[in-house]
Amino acid sequence: AQRVTQPEKLLSVFKGAPVELKCNYSYSGSPELFWYVQYSRQRLQLLLRHISRESIKGFTADLNKGETSFHLKKPFAQEEDSAMYYCALHSGAGSYQLTFGKGTKLSVIP
Amino acid sequence: EADIYQTPRYLVIGTGKKITLECSQTMGHDKMYWYQQDPGMELHLIHYSYGVNSTEKGDLSSESTVSRIRTEHFPLTLESARPSHTSQYLCASSESFWDTGYGYTFGSGTRLTVV
Repeated sequence: AQRVTQPEKLLSVFKGAPVELKCNYSYSGSPELFWYVQYSRQRLQLLLRHISRESIKGFTADLNKGETSFHLKKPFAQEEDSAMYYCALHSGAGSYQLTFGKGTKLSVIP
Repeated sequence: EADIYQTPRYLVIGTGKKITLECSQTMGHDKMYWYQQDPGMELHLIHYSYGVNSTEKGDLSSESTVSRIRTEHFPLTLESARPSHTSQYLCASSESFWDTGYGYTFGSGTRLTVV
């Protein structure tokens, strides 16, 4: 069965410091990985997906199949990055379901 | 505007009442989903649909039921609400994954409290 692990429930960093939100997954096939973000009083929204290899709001994430990880990184944290971040996995095996991690709350200290 | 809408945003209801949570999307997506999320916790899939007249149960057992009579509409019903049903319910929709991997579009959620 597929599984997504976000080991940190809460991560606090100072403004301008680098950020790394960890995500590990277990899945035997070739997964598709996503990061979703939920800002205060807003709906959950897609931040980025690994197949796009894009940078959104300064965030990047690289899929490391050897380490089964998909960590989210940003070199310089901003106060507006404070939010709840969820890593999600799609198995791609004829399924349209996403499996979510428990989420990490990022708090950027001014 | 193409979007996904959930109503009501908040609902406080007594035990034993029947409730229906509404979810509609105007994006023409075939795939729709219901997730349950307790505050600060992970999302659990409770129902999904791949198209009209298609409904399946998700990983988390739920006493709720769903229907998909129209592409754009995916309501969730609880025949007899109980305090254990108190939670946030998120509706989402998606396009096909195999070609674009677009991911989900989520609604704003319904926060249900059963007293």
